[in-house]
Amino acid sequence: GAVVSQHPSRVICKSGTSVKIECRSLDFQATTMFWYRQFPKQSLMLMATSNEGSKATYEQGVEKDKFLINHASLTLSTLTVTSAHPEDSSFYICSAERGKETQYFGPGTRLLVL
Amino acid sequence: AQSVTQLDSHVSVSEGTPVLLRCNYSSSYSPSLFWYVQHPNKGLQLLLKYTSAATLVKGINGFEAEFKKSETSFHLTKPSAHMSDAAEYFCVVSDLMGLIGSQGNLIFGKGTKLSVKP
Repeated sequence: GAVVSQHPSRVICKSGTSVKIECRSLDFQATTMFWYRQFPKQSLMLMATSNEGSKATYEQGVEKDKFLINHASLTLSTLTVTSAHPEDSSFYICSAERGKETQYFGPGTRLLVL
Repeated sequence: AQSVTQLDSHVSVSEGTPVLLRCNYSSSYSPSLFWYVQHPNKGLQLLLKYTSAATLVKGINGFEAEFKKSETSFHLTKPSAHMSDAAEYFCVVSDLMGLIGSQGNLIFGKGTKLSVKP
């Protein structure tokens, strides 16, 4: 089946630094990728929709200057958490849409900001 | 607006007994509904999906779900639980299917953690 990878799987950083998370579709091209955030014991919340070659569409309440999304190619989208703070600590999951069928999810990235 | 309610945050069953994970939804459109499973330290995996075809949907690993419009429910069932079924299960509705042909944004329930006792 389709495979989506995320890197890194786990990252610890100091408050104020920036962290980049990569999402790759390994065996298919994805025009659209999605970024989700999962707080402990809560459901996944969509942060933004990433479209190859155009600006990302952010959900209400998500700061676009803080969570920078770049979808530079049909197989790669990146999420950069700028000037990270402890409240940004969370589990970030991406998904890639294959054609108009099904979304395939990455394994997630656990971010801990100290 | 679409929303999803998973009625149980935690379900515990014995191996070999039936599994029932409940899900209710609200949708302004004809919804597309999904069940995803998340095993520890792994990504989400699609179990099954309903997209306005047959109301009884069969998925992987012996799971199935029935779409009941009158009850706005999409409960997930399995006749006999296996130890490997222990995981977190998410009921999901798509809010853009049918409008632009894409799965679009997925709205997740809060998840139900399934424990299976030997």
